[in-house]
Amino acid sequence: EDQVTQSPEALRLQEGESSSLNCSYTVSGLRGLFWYRQDPGKGPEFLFTLYSAGEEKEKERLKATLTKKESFLHITAPKPEDSATYLCALTGTASKLTFGTGTRLQVTL
Amino acid sequence: NAGVTQTPKFQVLKTGQSMTLQCAQDMNHEYMSWYRQDPGMGLRLIHYSVGAGITDQGEVPNGYNVSRSTTEDFPLRLLSAAPSQTSVYFCASSPYPPRYSGANVLTFGAGSRLTVL
Repeated sequence: EDQVTQSPEALRLQEGESSSLNCSYTVSGLRGLFWYRQDPGKGPEFLFTLYSAGEEKEKERLKATLTKKESFLHITAPKPEDSATYLCALTGTASKLTFGTGTRLQVTL
Repeated sequence: NAGVTQTPKFQVLKTGQSMTLQCAQDMNHEYMSWYRQDPGMGLRLIHYSVGAGITDQGEVPNGYNVSRSTTEDFPLRLLSAAPSQTSVYFCASSPYPPRYSGANVLTFGAGSRLTVL
């Protein structure tokens, strides 16, 4: 059975303090690993898709990376508007989308 | 604005009552799905549809019904509400089902918060 574990559960950063969110996974035949951002009271919003180990994607202050067992979402010099819950999800050969429980990020001034 | 529209945003029910959560998308997506989100748990798939007239069960289907008479609409029905169905419900759509493409990205609605007393 595919599994996704995200850590930490919650993270508090000061503005400008870079850090990383972790998504550990087990899957039979990875077809795609996804990162979503979810703001309070809203639905998840797509950020990135990664397909194979070694792949990296960037968007503004966010960079997602992928190994055979983990994905990281690196946040460089975060701003308060980066505060949100970040969800990791994946699809394997079973063609089922499995979500992690998310990391709740708070960035303070 | 193009996207997924869910109504109502908030609903309070008494145990045993029935109701329908509405979901509509205007992106001509073939795949539509319903998830529930509970504290400490990942999004869990309730039901999904790969096209008009075709629906199937996800991992937590009990107590819910769906139908897909048009490409645009995918309502979720609670037949006899129970307190265990208190949750936030999300409708999501994508061009194709996950099994057709690992690149498939879901577009989510804003959610419907349901409380069952």
